[in-house]
Amino acid sequence: TQLLEQSPQFLSIQEGENLTVYCNSSSVFSSLQWYRQEPGEGPVLLVTVVTGGEVKKLKRLTFQFGDARKDSSLHITAAQPGDTGLYLCAGRPNDYKLSFGAGTTVTVRA
Amino acid sequence: DAGVIQSPRHEVTEMGQEVTLRCKPISGHDYLFWYRQTMMRGLELLIYFNNNVPIDDSGMPEDRFSAKMPNASFSTLKIQPSEPRDSAVYFCASSLSSLQETQYFGPGTRLLVL
Repeated sequence: TQLLEQSPQFLSIQEGENLTVYCNSSSVFSSLQWYRQEPGEGPVLLVTVVTGGEVKKLKRLTFQFGDARKDSSLHITAAQPGDTGLYLCAGRPNDYKLSFGAGTTVTVRA
Repeated sequence: DAGVIQSPRHEVTEMGQEVTLRCKPISGHDYLFWYRQTMMRGLELLIYFNNNVPIDDSGMPEDRFSAKMPNASFSTLKIQPSEPRDSAVYFCASSLSSLQETQYFGPGTRLLVL
């Protein structure tokens, strides 16, 4: 059983559309991270959210941390083919080892 | 900086053979992590080192797996004997000075055990 549940598992959209990926848990996290992984490469950190209710923006990407610090979402506006990849959320229960969700595979069609 | 370096990038071996995966962390990083990624289980932490000392190996699946870090710039993950269910992508990552700091991942080694 995954500590962090991500949904959807797969997402395929047309260039220019918006998308949202969710990361949920029954546990409270001191922080949550989002990574993007491209084929044949390792995950790369996009953002860390620390405060409940926090919203961070990274160009067309918006990250939100739930008020109770149990969930997070990633919203991409006007998706581009370069956004294609595996998006992983990760958290540290009890501020200890990093635990990853199973990931959401996003495909943006030109 | 060259980032985390892993070798080989791809490994195909037969069941029962010994497999050794190698990692060079980013210079100056005190923490080194070994992860395994599969479709079924996602990305799992196997073991991590702090200043070359293994701190937590609770994620190592069984005694067939072992990891060493003889110095600050080199670590190995060994599987002996290998089994088909060990087929996965193995990642090495390093972070600067604490568990909470950003982990930088290598490109991974894709292992296929026939």
